[in-house]
Amino acid sequence: EIVMTQSPATLSVSPGERATLSCRASQSVSSNLAWYQQKPGQAPRLLIYGASTRATGIPARFSGSGSGTEFTLTISSLQSEDFAVYYCQQYNNWPLSLTFGGGTKVEIK
Amino acid sequence: EVQLVESGGGLVQPGGSLRLSCAASGFTFSSYDMHWVRQATGKGLEWVSAIGTAGDPYYPGSVKGRFTISRENAKNSLYLQMNSLRAGDTAVYYCARDGGGDSYMDVWGKGTTVTVSS
Repeated sequence: EIVMTQSPATLSVSPGERATLSCRASQSVSSNLAWYQQKPGQAPRLLIYGASTRATGIPARFSGSGSGTEFTLTISSLQSEDFAVYYCQQYNNWPLSLTFGGGTKVEIK
Repeated sequence: EVQLVESGGGLVQPGGSLRLSCAASGFTFSSYDMHWVRQATGKGLEWVSAIGTAGDPYYPGSVKGRFTISRENAKNSLYLQMNSLRAGDTAVYYCARDGGGDSYMDVWGKGTTVTVSS
């Protein structure tokens, strides 16, 4: 099974600042990686797929990069509505498995 | 509006069974693979099962042999039959649409809560 490791577990950022979240795969997943945002009491929302393609309606301040085993989600200027938990998910070895990272909580500094 | 609405959650004893349903609307349900994903309280996301447009099912090892996914395209509905339930199956269960065959999830329901406890 491919293990996805996210860091840091918690990121404290001030509104307007840049946030950089990392996701590492235990083996190469090519560009088959997605990012999701989840707010308390809500379902996850797709932000990024294909490592760098923004989903429909996602603001340009969200960007994804990376390939292979190292990936980054960048939020260029944090807005109040961006404070949430972010998960990465690999889908490279579908249909054998789909795996999520443990999440990064972005909190207000 | 594209929408997924789960139902069927509740309290069940260990060893018991439960059937979850997901009603889809606003898109051509039969054209999409579908997934179930769960989340225990305060924990991360775990993929539970998926079904292709042809009805082909997929499961991780943690639920294989206990859970059965199915779909009824005429009713725009997805199901998850859960047997031999354990305390570790306690979670919110989300229905999600596959983003076009690549197996990321582009639309999610609000979830239904399953509690396995005596």
